[in-house]
Amino acid sequence: DAGVTQSPTHLIKTRGQQVTLRCSPKSGHDTVSWYQQALGQGPQFIFQYYEEEERQRGNFPDRFSGHQFPNYSSELNVNALLLGDSALYLCASSFGTGILEQYFGPGTRLTVT
Amino acid sequence: AQSVTQLDSQVPVFEEAPVELRCNYSSSVSVYLFWYVQYPNQGLQLLLKYLSGSTLVKGINGFEAEFNKSQTSFHLRKPSVHISDTAEYFCAVSDRSRNSGGYQKVTFGTGTKLQVIP
Repeated sequence: DAGVTQSPTHLIKTRGQQVTLRCSPKSGHDTVSWYQQALGQGPQFIFQYYEEEERQRGNFPDRFSGHQFPNYSSELNVNALLLGDSALYLCASSFGTGILEQYFGPGTRLTVT
Repeated sequence: AQSVTQLDSQVPVFEEAPVELRCNYSSSVSVYLFWYVQYPNQGLQLLLKYLSGSTLVKGINGFEAEFNKSQTSFHLRKPSVHISDTAEYFCAVSDRSRNSGGYQKVTFGTGTKLQVIP
């Protein structure tokens, strides 16, 4: 079992650019949640995808969007990048939107210059 | 709304000494509580969770936590730490009830860095 995988590991972008991060859930999981972890902070919930739809969303602007594919993998897109978007982006997978058994990936470190 | 406060940003402790990492939460409803560990350059790993029943919860790697409803606390403890326990620890809370859409979300604290000194 490969667990939750994320790509890329690291990414450097310039202000105003757009970025796409990818996540493959743990085998048997059908729900993907995305979190932003700024330096020195705890993870902040961005949104959750289940059955290819965004099911709930945290306090993030519309510049943050996502997608879930039929194989349950997911993408996080961020448009018009700001310096403040620099963070570790974590993907967590679970079964049936449950939060009691979330498995986290290693994250993608995004640096915006 | 729910929130989590981890009172200590850093906790240094000598190897084989006991440690307690403090966590207090705020919520108007019944909650689930979690502790996660994050090793350098890695994602989060679930250490333990409180769902119901016994207030003393045992987790992996010899950690345990005690739920105290009256003090709204969920402190993490280990009787004897090892160098390998050096990591950042996050307390998290979730409402037991699902929202109108049938979903729950987890709110994390700001983390406590445990530094084990040889």
